[in-house]
Amino acid sequence: GENVEQHPSTLSVQEGDSAVIKCTYSDSASNYFPWYKQELGKRPQLIIDIRSNVGEKKDQRIAVTLNKTAKHFSLHITETQPEDSAVYFCAAWHSGYSTLTFGKGTMLLVSP
Amino acid sequence: EAGVVQSPRYKIIEKKQPVAFWCNPISGHNTLYWYLQNLGQGPELLIRYENEEAVDDSQLPKDRFSAERLKGVDSTLKIQPAELGDSAVYLCASSLKLTGELFFGEGSRLTVL
Repeated sequence: GENVEQHPSTLSVQEGDSAVIKCTYSDSASNYFPWYKQELGKRPQLIIDIRSNVGEKKDQRIAVTLNKTAKHFSLHITETQPEDSAVYFCAAWHSGYSTLTFGKGTMLLVSP
Repeated sequence: EAGVVQSPRYKIIEKKQPVAFWCNPISGHNTLYWYLQNLGQGPELLIRYENEEAVDDSQLPKDRFSAERLKGVDSTLKIQPAELGDSAVYLCASSLKLTGELFFGEGSRLTVL
């Protein structure tokens, strides 16, 4: 099955800095890559996603890039704010199995 | 429009006791998922339903876990008997199409003592 690796497991930045979280996937048949933000005790919420026919997508302060050849994708958050502090999960959707496989998560802490 | 609704939000039980979790997906979403989330980990799929049919239950520990979605709408996940290692958050998610866009409920946090 699909395997998703996510790094780093924790990330501490100062407010205003940028944060980058990286993920790799194993199965080239995966074609959809969402990112979820999960605050403590809350549900995972979709913040941005990208499909395999696109290399980059941006939404205000967040952006995602995808390199299909290398099978890796990254989340970029610019001008971080304390409310960005949460656990972020990347995931890969395998269209054949109709399954979303998650990474282990990155705990982002933004200090004022 | 209401999102995915789960209950109970929290459950504390003694080991060997049974427990059940309920999920009501977003209206019109035919696909329903149950995920297990251990502390500090990403969600892991337990079972996926297309309408009332369980189309992927390969990761469901069938000796103690069972699930049903009798009318193709809400679903119940049961554990009997519960073990200490079952302490986790059980997340339900639904989607309209098989595109990977999943919407999650708040989860049911289980503590087994």
